Amino acid sequence: KQEVTQIPAALSVPEGENLVLNCSFTDSAIYNLQWFRQDPGKGLTSLLLIQSSQREQTSGRLNASLDKSSGRSTLYIAASQPGDSATYLCAGLLNTDKLIFGTGTRLQVFP
Amino acid sequence: NAGVMQNPRHLVRRRGQEARLRCSPMKGHSHVYWYRQLPEEGLKFMVYLQKENIIDESGMPKERFSAEFPKEGPSILRIQQVVRGDSAAYFCASSPRQGANEQYFGPGTRLTVT
Repeated sequence: KQEVTQIPAALSVPEGENLVLNCSFTDSAIYNLQWFRQDPGKGLTSLLLIQSSQREQTSGRLNASLDKSSGRSTLYIAASQPGDSATYLCAGLLNTDKLIFGTGTRLQVFP
Repeated sequence: NAGVMQNPRHLVRRRGQEARLRCSPMKGHSHVYWYRQLPEEGLKFMVYLQKENIIDESGMPKERFSAEFPKEGPSILRIQQVVRGDSAAYFCASSPRQGANEQYFGPGTRLTVT
């Protein structure tokens, strides 16, 4: 059974810091790995999608990497800003077309 | 191209009533997925549908919950005789085909059972 775990569960940092959010999954048979952002009481915003054949994706200050052999993905946020405060979710897509979500990392960036 | 639409955004039901949640996928998408997010918990897969077919309902509770995606119109998630434990955010996602790269999420419906 595929399980996805995210560490840390919560993170509070001052503005400007570079951050690393971790995601680990138990079954390497995933099609792709998505990172989402969720603001309180809101929906999901897709941030980055990494195909199983890829190692990383970048968008602006965000960079996500994927290592299928070790079952890990990381989301790197450069020069964090208060507007980055949200819950970050990773999700692996299984061959059954269902996304398995991680437990989330609640990020707070203070000025 | 409008995104995935869900309505209502907020729904309040009393215990024992029925709740109907609607999801209109993105234009050209024929695959719909429903996920549920219970308070203080992660999102969990519920059901995967194509037009007129249920592909995978392994995440659906055995009783009171049903889903459909008719040939015409939105996908409907129906919860009969709601209980307080059904209070959650229900998210719908769509994709253009099986094994597609990405699922696109709607804003969710927040169900509160009083």
